[in-house]
Amino acid sequence: DQQVKQNSPSLSVQEGRISILNCDYTNSMFDYFLWYKKYPAEGPTFLISISSIKDKNEDGRFTVFLNKSAKHLSLHIVPSQPGDSAVYFCAASGASGKFYFGSGTKLNVKP
Amino acid sequence: KAGVTQTPRYLIKTRGQQVTLSCSPISGHRSVSWYQQTPGQGLQFLFEYFSETQRNKGNFPGRFSGRQFSNSRSEMNVSTLELGDSALYLCASSLDTGSVKKLFFGSGTQLSVL
Repeated sequence: DQQVKQNSPSLSVQEGRISILNCDYTNSMFDYFLWYKKYPAEGPTFLISISSIKDKNEDGRFTVFLNKSAKHLSLHIVPSQPGDSAVYFCAASGASGKFYFGSGTKLNVKP
Repeated sequence: KAGVTQTPRYLIKTRGQQVTLSCSPISGHRSVSWYQQTPGQGLQFLFEYFSETQRNKGNFPGRFSGRQFSNSRSEMNVSTLELGDSALYLCASSLDTGSVKKLFFGSGTQLSVL
């Protein structure tokens, strides 16, 4: 039962342009959402988060948008850099404290 | 502050064997979670331990078990290994304070079952 879905397994973007990674969830009780970045042979590292009381959170080049009615969140990276090439996982959490992760989107930023 | 440490980094086993993976959380973190990552499946939640008690459990068979010690270090055990158990096993720790909970991951143990 995949409660968090990332429907795009991969995304290719030119350096300097915007990268938009999408994530959908099914459980309306989720109230906290995170994005993680993962390089090969390393564990995921925290990137940015948003709680359900907000619809946008910014941190430098990274912005996460939350659309609760559509149960959709997205991560925008502007401008994209080659070092951003990695696998990005979205995750959601609710009252249980359990985190549910998507299957990941592999971002390739071309120089 | 040292990060989450997982040992070993790589492991090769054969079907039917059992394996134990170890995880040392960040100092002060009392919550430890385990995840399985396979290609195309993302991170599948195995279980979470807090103060030596299993607090949450995912949908994995009983062959997968874990425990947490008084110093918050955790071990995960898989018995009667199957080929499908080949995966990257990730451990994550967190401070677990209030409603804001952020997971810090180790580099994982890559398990290959032959």
